[in-house]
Amino acid sequence: QSALTQPASVSGSPGQSITISCTGTSSDVGGYNYVSWYQQHPGKAPKLMIYEVSNRPSGVSNRFSGSKSGNTASLTISGLQAEDEADYYCSSYTSSSRYVVFGGGTKLTVL
Amino acid sequence: QVQLVQSGAEVKKPGASVKVSCKVSGYTLTELSMHWVRQAPGKGLEWMGGFDPEDGETIYAQKFQGRVTMTEDTSTDTAYMELSSLRSEDTAVYYCATIGHSWFFDYWGQGTLVTVSS
Repeated sequence: QSALTQPASVSGSPGQSITISCTGTSSDVGGYNYVSWYQQHPGKAPKLMIYEVSNRPSGVSNRFSGSKSGNTASLTISGLQAEDEADYYCSSYTSSSRYVVFGGGTKLTVL
Repeated sequence: QVQLVQSGAEVKKPGASVKVSCKVSGYTLTELSMHWVRQAPGKGLEWMGGFDPEDGETIYAQKFQGRVTMTEDTSTDTAYMELSSLRSEDTAVYYCATIGHSWFFDYWGQGTLVTVSS
């Protein structure tokens, strides 16, 4: 069982918006603004999409945005496109002995 | 731009050890904090450990302590991850990844598949 909880799957039609949640505790998501999000296409390495809850690295589309409320972080993708279909993982620093924890991943299907 | 190039796929027998390398280019290894993440087939990402720049020490996830060793050769800008006492559950793709100042993984290697099978 992963330390952070994500829905197993979400789906949306092209042009729509979707949100993926990532729920942790006050020891990780709720306690630090060190939440990041990764996109992974099949057979590829993960790609950083969001860091420090809501910051986008250079080159990442502004259709991707992040936020946090309490112990739950969220990734929103607006104007869904076919190439957004992928697995998405959240991650957070944790004050427990493990230092870094990941969510179990969410498979996004673009209908 | 940081580039991380990992060594090739490995097949090991249960009980053996494996050592995966990660060659850095674009920066020197001393300018980076290298970590390792693995992904079992069809499963999610799992952090294994890496260099903590705040403490200046290598830290390991509790699950792997005693079985994993992460080292660096700064003369060749190459990081290594060695995992011992392999079992079938260690079959996974192993990634090296650099970690930013606020614990996000910004650059990733291409991954190395390690298969543990008798």
